[in-house]
Amino acid sequence: GENVEQHPSTLSVQEGDSAVIKCTYSDSASNYFPWYKQELGKGPQLIIDIRSNVGEKKDQRIAVTLNKTAKHFSLHITETQPEDSAVYFCAAIIIQGAQKLVFGQGTRLTINP
Amino acid sequence: DSGVTQTPKHLITATGQRVTLRCSPRSGDLSVYWYQQSLDQGLQFLIQYYNGEERAKGNILERFSAQQFPDLHSELNLSSLELGDSALYFCASSVATQRGYTDTQYFGPGTRLTVL
Repeated sequence: GENVEQHPSTLSVQEGDSAVIKCTYSDSASNYFPWYKQELGKGPQLIIDIRSNVGEKKDQRIAVTLNKTAKHFSLHITETQPEDSAVYFCAAIIIQGAQKLVFGQGTRLTINP
Repeated sequence: DSGVTQTPKHLITATGQRVTLRCSPRSGDLSVYWYQQSLDQGLQFLIQYYNGEERAKGNILERFSAQQFPDLHSELNLSSLELGDSALYFCASSVATQRGYTDTQYFGPGTRLTVL
């Protein structure tokens, strides 16, 4: 199947706290998992991605973990700041047939000062 | 700024009409992808071109078509427009598509299409 489920759909955290967004995918052959941040009126911006040969990747306050056995991956944002407020999308590459990126439904993250 | 440009930024038209959306990929990128983003469907992959040739097809309607030109820019043509076609249309580009390797896709700012 071609399915990426993302939770939660909305998330509100206090500034300075951590935020976690989780995704599951259905294609066991998927090997590439990007995360995008979309601000109002803008296109999705890649913030971090992970390939299936690693279990975790960090870039400053952002980290992504991948569990291939369970077919789920998560985005972790630490020390959240107001500018982290946006909609976040996970995606997985679907290998069946021609390759294509399938996106989750998005998480609206609000950082409360 | 991702380096991907899209024109126009906004487009308002009537049902039954035809429009063309334009995308210029990042310098050096050979692949172009088109996506539709609507409130109820999220980001949906439409079609991919690689160096002028169609590479992959997603949920693209028969009323929609695309092409990639020798200078690598791409156009998405939407015809017989319906109210439900109102959405954001994004173009993305990546360096190249080697079989078995997925390149990072960089998105443009999008075109907001409103069909009245």
